[in-house]
Amino acid sequence: EVQLVESGGGLVKPGGSLRLSCAASGFSFSTYTMNWVRQAPGKGLEWVSSVSSSGSFIYYADSVEGRFTISRDNAENSLYLQVNSLRAEDTAVYYCARASEDIVFVPTAGGSYSYYYMDVWGKGTTVTVSS
Amino acid sequence: IVMTQSPATLSVSPGETVTLSCRASQSVISNLAWYQQKPGQAPRLLIYRASTRAAGVPARFSGSGSGTEFTLTISTLQSEDFAVYYCQQYNNWPPYTFGQGTKLEIK
Repeated sequence: EVQLVESGGGLVKPGGSLRLSCAASGFSFSTYTMNWVRQAPGKGLEWVSSVSSSGSFIYYADSVEGRFTISRDNAENSLYLQVNSLRAEDTAVYYCARASEDIVFVPTAGGSYSYYYMDVWGKGTTVTVSS
Repeated sequence: IVMTQSPATLSVSPGETVTLSCRASQSVISNLAWYQQKPGQAPRLLIYRASTRAAGVPARFSGSGSGTEFTLTISTLQSEDFAVYYCQQYNNWPPYTFGQGTKLEIK
């Protein structure tokens, strides 16, 4: 069974840090781009960060750039998010999500391109930032 | 790219057919996904490439559209379909962007 299980959330004071983990199983973890997506209480979904399969390419949302660090250990089938300098507005459920590749032929561009959609999600881990 | 969903809330009865809308601020070609989220649960992928159902998704869910206008249609609503639905573009990222969601509630 394909599964993602997050852990590491908790209650932390403003300015504090946490390390979130996501354990993957049931698929070839090392071949997938992975993502973190968060959801503040009662709000919608917000993409946080992505890391390519090899770890060579990393991207962050502007709201977390410079404070959060994504990483992965393909030998351990694990994804991580180091969250530092936490603010009240970082309070959210943090989801780990796998990105699957969709190869699409684009006639106007004259070739095929890869696009990545999130097809498997973990249940999430809750981060609460409060004094 | 800003994704805008309408309406914010839809009150319908089981057995009805509903159509949810999603608009992108610029073309995302067909690189559009729909997710379903129930209270306390993670999002679940329903549709990708605007109209392709994900594995295990019932045929009553169908997606259409391209460019900037997309719809998700749910035929013959079942009780388990009442949830929040999000669209997401994955054509131009980073960042991935989601719509604000449409809540489907029982009338």
